[in-house]
Amino acid sequence: QVQLQQSGPGLVKPSQTLSLTCDISGDSVSSNSAAWNWIRQSPSRGLEWLGRTYYRSRWYSEYASSVNGRIAINPDTSKNQFSLQLNSVTPGDTAVYYCARGRFYFDKWGQGALVTVSS
Amino acid sequence: EIVLTQSPGTLCLSPGERATLSCRASQSISNTYLAWYQQKPGQAPRLVIYGASTRATGIPDRFSGSGSGTDFTLTISRLEPEDFAVYYCQQYGGSRFGGGTTVEI
Repeated sequence: QVQLQQSGPGLVKPSQTLSLTCDISGDSVSSNSAAWNWIRQSPSRGLEWLGRTYYRSRWYSEYASSVNGRIAINPDTSKNQFSLQLNSVTPGDTAVYYCARGRFYFDKWGQGALVTVSS
Repeated sequence: EIVLTQSPGTLCLSPGERATLSCRASQSISNTYLAWYQQKPGQAPRLVIYGASTRATGIPDRFSGSGSGTDFTLTISRLEPEDFAVYYCQQYGGSRFGGGTTVEI
């Protein structure tokens, strides 16, 4: 069965870069039918989709306007994983971050990781 | 930008009762591109319904979804103890979520 396993630091200093990785088992990051997403959840913002990457003869990435310009989501085919990088973080980026599979809706989720932005 | 408004914010019910949750969109959602999720404390959301009315794998048939355009409903016909949770709707375009409805005892 498909499983997503997240990893990354739980504490990031303001102005630095938040980096998380999601390992995929039971599916392929290069699948021609799946998409691989990052979603976050906080009391102030609720559930917020951040972006996705997917392969359809070539790689695509799409990002939410709220974080566009600060975000990169990249696949790593050698490790069958994908990553999130969010630059210039502020305390407002403190949230539980989830990776998830799905092009339109999200049928598999990682376990979630609390990332706190604080000095 | 479509905004999803869920109501009520909290639903207080007992096991065995029927739960009716509403999700209203600020603009019409095409082709019933709407999903519902269940989230329990400390857990990731779990897909319950997609395409407005199709149950996800492993979801019991006491869960049903309906609606089109701007008004969508998630119904739980007879609440089981494990159904008490927060439920979110999500529209496909822009992947926006509603604010959630808490179903509590």
